[in-house]
Amino acid sequence: EAQVTQNPRYLITVTGKKLTVTCSQNMNHEYMSWYRQDPGLGLRQIYYSMNVEVTDKGDVPEGYKVSRKEKRNFPLILESPSPNQTSLYFCASSLSFGRRNTEAFFGQGTRLTVV
Amino acid sequence: GENVEQHPSTLSVQEGDSAVIKCTYSDSASNYFPWYKQELGKGPQLIIDIRSNVGEKKDQRIAVTLNKTAKHFSLHITETQPEDSAVYFCAAPAEGGADGLTFGKGTHLIIQP
Repeated sequence: EAQVTQNPRYLITVTGKKLTVTCSQNMNHEYMSWYRQDPGLGLRQIYYSMNVEVTDKGDVPEGYKVSRKEKRNFPLILESPSPNQTSLYFCASSLSFGRRNTEAFFGQGTRLTVV
Repeated sequence: GENVEQHPSTLSVQEGDSAVIKCTYSDSASNYFPWYKQELGKGPQLIIDIRSNVGEKKDQRIAVTLNKTAKHFSLHITETQPEDSAVYFCAAPAEGGADGLTFGKGTHLIIQP
């Protein structure tokens, strides 16, 4: 089954304690991205990757890091989480991007609370 | 970058009636317009999309229309059912080409029994 898998689904952590949210896709997609979803603000892109070792900032990258060492994995790293990073996070992947956009497949989401 | 505006933010309709959600975009070069449905506790899922070489596309009870001149596109759901209750997002390619999609802020569709 084609899917994007995020872990964990729920996470409560304290300010400043480094954490990683994992994302893996089994569709051999080149393009992967991270979004955060906040009430009234919709989905905002944090980082994206067009292929292995190619990553770039989205609209709200401050406080986040990513890496793309393998095609299937795209972890999101919060080096020093702060309460304003409390949000619902989604990983997504697609076969292509930009003007050749195709369907984006989303993970189930990770609800992060930073206290 | 691309700016996508979506209205309304909340829409309540009686079961069996039609629902229409509208979006506008800013980049005249955009050529791909998907709609995603997000059910409670799940990630968004593509329900229909349209490319700029057509003006309308239908899939059973849902349809999308595109007006390139006015730079707006709409989602139409007919004969609404309880399972249509969800948050719907429109999207358009981010300007510059490499950045994937820019999403609207979402519409919470409520189907009243």
